Amino acid sequence: KNQVEQSPQSLIILEGKNCTLQCNYTVSPFSNLRWYKQDTGRGPVSLTIMTFSENTKSNGRYTATLDADTKQSSLHITASQLSDSASYICVVSARTGRRALTFGSGTRLQVQP
Amino acid sequence: DAGVTQSPTHLIKTRGQQVTLRCSPKSGHDTVSWYQQALGQGPQFIFQYYEEEERQRGNFPDRFSGHQFPNYSSELNVNALLLGDSALYLCASRHTSGDNTGELFFGEGSRLTVL
Repeated sequence: KNQVEQSPQSLIILEGKNCTLQCNYTVSPFSNLRWYKQDTGRGPVSLTIMTFSENTKSNGRYTATLDADTKQSSLHITASQLSDSASYICVVSARTGRRALTFGSGTRLQVQP
Repeated sequence: DAGVTQSPTHLIKTRGQQVTLRCSPKSGHDTVSWYQQALGQGPQFIFQYYEEEERQRGNFPDRFSGHQFPNYSSELNVNALLLGDSALYLCASRHTSGDNTGELFFGEGSRLTVL
């Protein structure tokens, strides 16, 4: 069964600090992995998409890593800002199959002043 | 480009009623999928439409049905509403690619409350 597990479930950090969110998956055959940011009550917005051959991808203060061997990904946020407060969702795509996208439950990040 | 648009943004229904949610995909996109997101949870896949047919379906009962029109817009219908159907319903669109690498764009969602 395809699954995506995210940790921690929630996280509180002070403004200016760094943090790392984790995503472990069992989706096979793997196609790509995406990180989304979702503000409360809004739709998710894509941060990065990573394919099998990519190890690291950055988008401003967001850096995602992928280890396809261990089936793990991380999202590192540098110099956090209050506007980073949101849920971060990991989504893994299978190359084939009826359930092509598997969503994690998300990590809820709160950045405090 | 307006992106993915959904309507209505909020609605309140009572148990047993029926609801229809609407979605217009981003320009150039031909595949639409629907998700249910309960408070504090990640989105749960309901189904996906391509070429006016349901192509994939998640673990949702037949009370959840949909439709895709020739202009690629889509509707989600839920019959015999239950209290547990209260959630944010998200629509997402993408351009179909053979290996599922097409980026997924989400709408802002329709917040359904069932009383």
